Amino acid sequence: QKEVEQNSGPLSVPEGAIASLNCTYSDRVSQSFFWYRQYSGKSPELIMSIYSNGDKEDGRFTAQLNKASQYVSLLIRDSQPSDSATYLCAVTPGAAGNKLTFGGGTRVLVKP
Amino acid sequence: KAGVTQTPRYLIKTRGQQVTLSCSPISGHRSVSWYQQTPGQGLQFLFEYFSETQRNKGNFPGRFSGRQFSNSRSEMNVSTLELGDSALYLCASSLGAGGNSGNTIYFGEGSWLTVV
Repeated sequence: QKEVEQNSGPLSVPEGAIASLNCTYSDRVSQSFFWYRQYSGKSPELIMSIYSNGDKEDGRFTAQLNKASQYVSLLIRDSQPSDSATYLCAVTPGAAGNKLTFGGGTRVLVKP
Repeated sequence: KAGVTQTPRYLIKTRGQQVTLSCSPISGHRSVSWYQQTPGQGLQFLFEYFSETQRNKGNFPGRFSGRQFSNSRSEMNVSTLELGDSALYLCASSLGAGGNSGNTIYFGEGSWLTVV
């Protein structure tokens, strides 16, 4: 079992719709959770971080964390063609350190 | 506020050569991590430095090494390059030591290494 798992996609959504991305992780004591967006040929760009159970909203993005289920998700509302990218879920361990463990990424395609 | 700066951005090396990549973290950040990204393996952690000390190391051969200087700038070195080392090498910086919530991690634009 991979430490961080994501559906590779592609997740195809029409413009204006909600894109829902899921991520599960195996280390129960993981502390911090991140969603990065990566365009082809570019580096990962941080779009959301979440540290405690519940929802966190930032503009069109909402991250949801459920530590009991070891599950973190990302919702993109009013999806735009510019949201077409690979979305990477990453977690850090419970022990000290900033080591990120990444999922394989979900490719999102927003169709006009 | 400047972001994470990596140099060089692009480089081509020959098998057997060595390469040194440089990273300047965000001002005030003391933690620097390095990652390798390839199409087949995805993003993989190489190592992390905090206050000049290596704290974590990924599962890479000893040909991959790094260091951090007193000004938090970091370098990574790959010796005896192999074709499989062709990848995007990413540096990330963060403010604190980690291990708790609220420690955000930012990436630089990366260094594209091609080994021929």
